[in-house]
This record gives sequence, C-alpha cells and structure tokens, in this order.
Amino acid sequence: GAGVSQSPSNKVTEKGKDVELRCDPISGHTALYWYRQSLGQGLEFLIYFQGNSAPDKSGLPSDRFSAERTGGSVSTLTIQRTQQEDSAVYLCASSLGHGGNEQFFGPGTRLTVL
Amino acid sequence: KQEVTQIPAALSVPEGENLVLNCSFTDSAIYNLQWFRQDPGKGLTSLLLIQSSQREQTSGRLNASLDKSSGRSTLYIAASQPGDSATYLCAVRLITNAGKSTFGDGTTLTVKP
Repeated sequence: GAGVSQSPSNKVTEKGKDVELRCDPISGHTALYWYRQSLGQGLEFLIYFQGNSAPDKSGLPSDRFSAERTGGSVSTLTIQRTQQEDSAVYLCASSLGHGGNEQFFGPGTRLTVL
Repeated sequence: KQEVTQIPAALSVPEGENLVLNCSFTDSAIYNLQWFRQDPGKGLTSLLLIQSSQREQTSGRLNASLDKSSGRSTLYIAASQPGDSATYLCAVRLITNAGKSTFGDGTTLTVKP
C-alpha cells in the first residue's frame, strides 16, 4: 500500500509568515510522529499523536509551533511567525497501534525561511 | 535524559567487506531500538526493530544485536555493496515514554566499488 506522504515537499517562506505542513500517514496507522532534522542537529522529536490526542508535545520548540490531527488520519504542523532558525527538514512517521511500534517515515518537507 | 551516540561518524570500506556500526545509549530502560537508513535528500527507511526482550534481529545481510545491560546495539552488514552507501541511524524508545524516539547522529557509510 501507499507509504507516508508529506506535502509540500519544499517550502520557501519569508521570515514572519505562517506555514502549514501536512502529513498523511499509512492507512490504519493510529500513531503519528513529527520530527525535525536540521544541519548539524540530528533528528529532533517534536510531537507524538495517538489517534487525535497528543500524549507528548514535549519536543515542540516554542509556542509558535502547534500540531493537530483530525479523524485519526491527516496531521498538520503549523509554524507561526517563522524564524530563520526554523529552517529544517520536517519529517513525519506513523506506526500501527500504540506509539512503541515500528515507525515508517515520509519523505519530509524541506522548509527554508528567508 | 536519554542520550544516543553512534560511532564512527563516518566509515569508508571497499565492496565486499563485512562491517559493524555501533549505537550506545545511556538509559537502559528501553522499550525498543530501531535501525534506519537515510539516503541523501530522502526520508528514513526502517531496517530492523529490536524489542527490549530480544537479543538480535536479522534481515537479509543485516543483523542487529542489543545488549541492554551495557547500553549498546550493533548493526552488522555482511558482504557490503555500493548500494549500502547511506547514513545509518539508530533510535531508542524508553519504557516510560514509548511514543518518543531519541536518535543518534548517524554513521555515514561509503562502500567503494
């Protein structure tokens, strides 16, 4: 079946603008995760959803970052008032059942803030 | 706080060699450990998942081992091929928060023809 998909694949925005990044998990996967990968920073956990609830939001860097998930499927990561340090690749993953199961990743969205 | 370290950061080997990549973690109360590969400009591809109760997992030419007591996992690649060239990442989840993965910085492998 189809894997995890993310859109857009690339996003260039100006400092101060808001952006929305979308993740479509594998059908039937109830757990969904967002990560950020920056040059020289490695992969950083942002947030984890079980169904539509987010048991762990501890990785969100600031209150400019928010995420939601509706219908137990699609998730949107929103960054308000973007800053240059937000430039990174944002990766989404999903897994069957609970959050401890094998994760499958999407191709990522490359965000560039000018 | 869980810290995950991967050594070496980069490795270059001739085609056909067997090799070992290392992953160490500071908190041994893990739920599981997952190995991934990442090709340049791409997402992560899952290779192997080892549950905390397991000692090893195998898939084709790949074998991953887990030693919780020493806080280590190794990924063994047999008969390496140029197509194995990629960055290999390990990710660890704790029992107390299985939804959150902590990643190492990866080992970048180059297999020369």
